[in-house]
Amino acid sequence: EIVLTQSPGTLSLSPGERATLSCRASQSVCSTYLAWYQQKPGQAPRLLIYGASSRATGIPDRFSGSGSGTDFTLTISRLEPEDFAVYYCQQYCQQYGSTLYTFGQGTKLEIK
Amino acid sequence: EVQLVESGGGLVKPGESLRLSCAGSGFTFSNAWMNWVRQAPGKGLEWVGRIKSKPDGETTDYAAPVKGRFTISRDDSKNTVYMQMNSLKAEDTAEYFCATGLVFDHWGQGTLVTVSS
Repeated sequence: EIVLTQSPGTLSLSPGERATLSCRASQSVCSTYLAWYQQKPGQAPRLLIYGASSRATGIPDRFSGSGSGTDFTLTISRLEPEDFAVYYCQQYCQQYGSTLYTFGQGTKLEIK
Repeated sequence: EVQLVESGGGLVKPGESLRLSCAGSGFTFSNAWMNWVRQAPGKGLEWVGRIKSKPDGETTDYAAPVKGRFTISRDDSKNTVYMQMNSLKAEDTAEYFCATGLVFDHWGQGTLVTVSS
């Protein structure tokens, strides 16, 4: 099973700053099947990025994803007040007809 | 507008069973792969299982902690996916979300399952 490790655990920044969140896999992720989700308190998660770098429908272009293999990054170019939330990376891997998913433990992005 | 509404959560004792439902609307339900994801109180996200669409074989996959205890099924005539949860344990206590797709592009608001004696 692939283990995803996100860093940092908590990131304290101010609106307008740039945020860089990291997700490292214990082994190479299937193709580029890596996604990022945002979750605010009391809400369901929201898909931001899939395929490592493709933005989901309706996601502002200040969100971008990059990386391959075992190292992936979510970048928020200029933080807006509504961006402070918990972010999860997720890998999904289809092998031998089965699909398995794992999530990272999350990065909490808080207002400094 | 895509909507997913979970129901069926509640308080049960260890060893008991529960069936969750997720009703979908605003999309072609019969073509959708449907997933269950859970989140223990104050913790991160954990994928539970998934059922493919009928055209894709309606096959299921499960995470190791629930394999053999949980069963996912679907009724496309009712636009609903179900998850039968048997032999529940305290560690199954969580908010349970359903979500669509290979990547989880739409989510319900969740239903809370509490397993406690």
